[in-house]
Amino acid sequence: AQKVTQAQTEISVVEKEDVTLDCVYETRDTTYYLFWYKQPPSGELVFLIRRNSFDEQNEISGRYSWNFQKSTSSFNFTITASQVVDSAVYFCALLRFGNEKLTFGTGTRLTIIP
Amino acid sequence: NAGVTQTPKFRILKIGQSMTLQCAQDMNHNYMYWYRQDPGMGLKLIYYSVGAGITDKGEVPNGYNVSRSTTEDFPLRLELAAPSQTSVYFCASSYDGLYEQYFGPGTRLTVT
Repeated sequence: AQKVTQAQTEISVVEKEDVTLDCVYETRDTTYYLFWYKQPPSGELVFLIRRNSFDEQNEISGRYSWNFQKSTSSFNFTITASQVVDSAVYFCALLRFGNEKLTFGTGTRLTIIP
Repeated sequence: NAGVTQTPKFRILKIGQSMTLQCAQDMNHNYMYWYRQDPGMGLKLIYYSVGAGITDKGEVPNGYNVSRSTTEDFPLRLELAAPSQTSVYFCASSYDGLYEQYFGPGTRLTVT
């Protein structure tokens, strides 16, 4: 069975602070994919990143960065210099190769205080 | 491209009523999915389809039915609505099962 744990239910930080959202996953497969999605207050889910299990390089996209560590089964997401527009619920998700079903974590609600 | 569209945006049903949630995508994606999101929870997969004419159950299929007669459309049918089906429903599509899913705006359903 596969599982995604986002232990941080809610986080609040003051604008311009850096913040890291944790994601820990469980799977017995060697080939899998990890995703992050953002759900702003408007409700839609927005795709942020996809990473396969063979690519452990960190990824940076503007103020967003992702740290994938297979040794600790973690795929953490850092927002640098946070902004109010970053306020949202963030979901981490896992997809096994050969299984078309995404397993979502329960999400982390991030609030950026102006 | 409109992406993934869902109708209606909101609906209130009485217990025992039935309804169909509509979902369409114009990206020529093979895979389509239906999820429900309960407050404070992640998304749970109800049904999915890997192509026209092919559907399969997800994690929480009871009380729902789907069909996929075209690549573009993937309606979700609720039969005999129950309060436990009060939720936000999201439709999504993907080029294939290994790539990112694109989500519709959601349908907020209340069963009273």
